[in-house]
Amino acid sequence: RKEVEQDPGPFNVPEGATVAFNCTYSNSASQSFFWYRQDCRKEPKLLMSVYSSGNEDGRFTAQLNRASQYISLLIRDSKLSDSATYLCVVLLSSGSARQLTFGSGTQLTVLP
Amino acid sequence: DAGVIQSPRHEVTEMGQEVTLRCKPISGHNSLFWYRQTMMRGLELLIYFNNNVPIDDSGMPEDRFSAKMPNASFSTLKIQPSEPRDSAVYFCASSPTVGRGSGNTIYFGEGSWLTVV
Repeated sequence: RKEVEQDPGPFNVPEGATVAFNCTYSNSASQSFFWYRQDCRKEPKLLMSVYSSGNEDGRFTAQLNRASQYISLLIRDSKLSDSATYLCVVLLSSGSARQLTFGSGTQLTVLP
Repeated sequence: DAGVIQSPRHEVTEMGQEVTLRCKPISGHNSLFWYRQTMMRGLELLIYFNNNVPIDDSGMPEDRFSAKMPNASFSTLKIQPSEPRDSAVYFCASSPTVGRGSGNTIYFGEGSWLTVV
């Protein structure tokens, strides 16, 4: 089983649609969670951190369920510019050691 | 502010040649990471340094790969000899102090696109 698993995608949605991505992680001791966005032929960039109580940033909402070891990202009123690959990231720290594991990514294409 | 700076941005080399990739982390960041990304395997952590000391190199594929961080502002990833299967995008990333809230965010460079023919 992969340490971080994401929806395989690709997701093709019309502009204005709401789309949700899911991610599960295998290590229950994982401490921090993130969503990164990667545009074609570019580097990954932090989209948002995921907090236990859930958090929202404009059209983006991230949620964490520690009991189910599940993370989600919801995008409302999707824009053409949201087309990208979304990477789920899980962090496990122990002293000076840090294990940051990336999911394989979910590709989103927003269609006009 | 300058982000993570990598060089070269693109390199095409012949099998058997030595390849050296370079990285300058964001000033003040204590952790530095080297990742490799391919279509088949996604993003893989090769090695990371904390305060210039290698902490985890378990992702380094084999002895042909080596990484150094001689000081806080410079790191290299070397492949010798290179093989066609090493073709990938190599990302360097850095983050602030381990264990602090903001230290959990990592910032990527634009990547070095390597093609070994």
